[in-house]
Amino acid sequence: EIVLTQSPGTLSLSPGERATLSCRASQSVSSSYLAWYQQKPGQAPRLLIYGASSRATGIPDRFSGSGSGTDFTLTISRLEPEDIAVYYCQQYGSSSYTFGQGTKLEIK
Amino acid sequence: QVQLVESGGGVVQPGGSLRLSCAASGFTFSSYGMHWVRQAPGKGLEWVAFVWYDGNTIFYADSVKGRFTISRDNSKNTLYLQMNSLRAEDTAVYYCAKDRTGSGAFEVWGQGTMVTVSS
Repeated sequence: EIVLTQSPGTLSLSPGERATLSCRASQSVSSSYLAWYQQKPGQAPRLLIYGASSRATGIPDRFSGSGSGTDFTLTISRLEPEDIAVYYCQQYGSSSYTFGQGTKLEIK
Repeated sequence: QVQLVESGGGVVQPGGSLRLSCAASGFTFSSYGMHWVRQAPGKGLEWVAFVWYDGNTIFYADSVKGRFTISRDNSKNTLYLQMNSLRAEDTAVYYCAKDRTGSGAFEVWGQGTMVTVSS
């Protein structure tokens, strides 16, 4: 099973700043099968990025994904107060799906 | 719009059974794979099971294999999760999610239903 490790655990930034969230895999992941989700308190997760870098429907272009192999990144270019959430990366491979443990984003 | 509505959660004793349902609308249900994903209180997300659009291909997480059964009724636009031999560690919010074909991603999520396993 591929293990995804996200860093940092918590990120505290000010509105307008740039957020960089990391997701590292224990073995190589196909870029086609790497996704990112946003989960706000009390809500279901929402798909942000699929295929490592493609934005899902309705996702603002402030959100972008990049990376390949074992290292992937979610970038939020200009933080807004509504971006307070936990962000998860997720991969699919060998008939199994795994999530990272999440990065909690706090707004100062 | 695409909508997924889970039901069937509740409190059950260890060793007991429960069946969850997920009613789908707003898309051609019979053309898409579907998943169950769970989240224990205060914890992260854990994928549980997947069923292909026609029900002929099914995958399970090792943690539920042999105890849980995923199924679907395309005539009723409904996804199911039969959960047997429930354990305390199965306590979680259970979400159904629509597969984004070809990407391994969970495109749309329901609001979730809470399952509590406790004596």
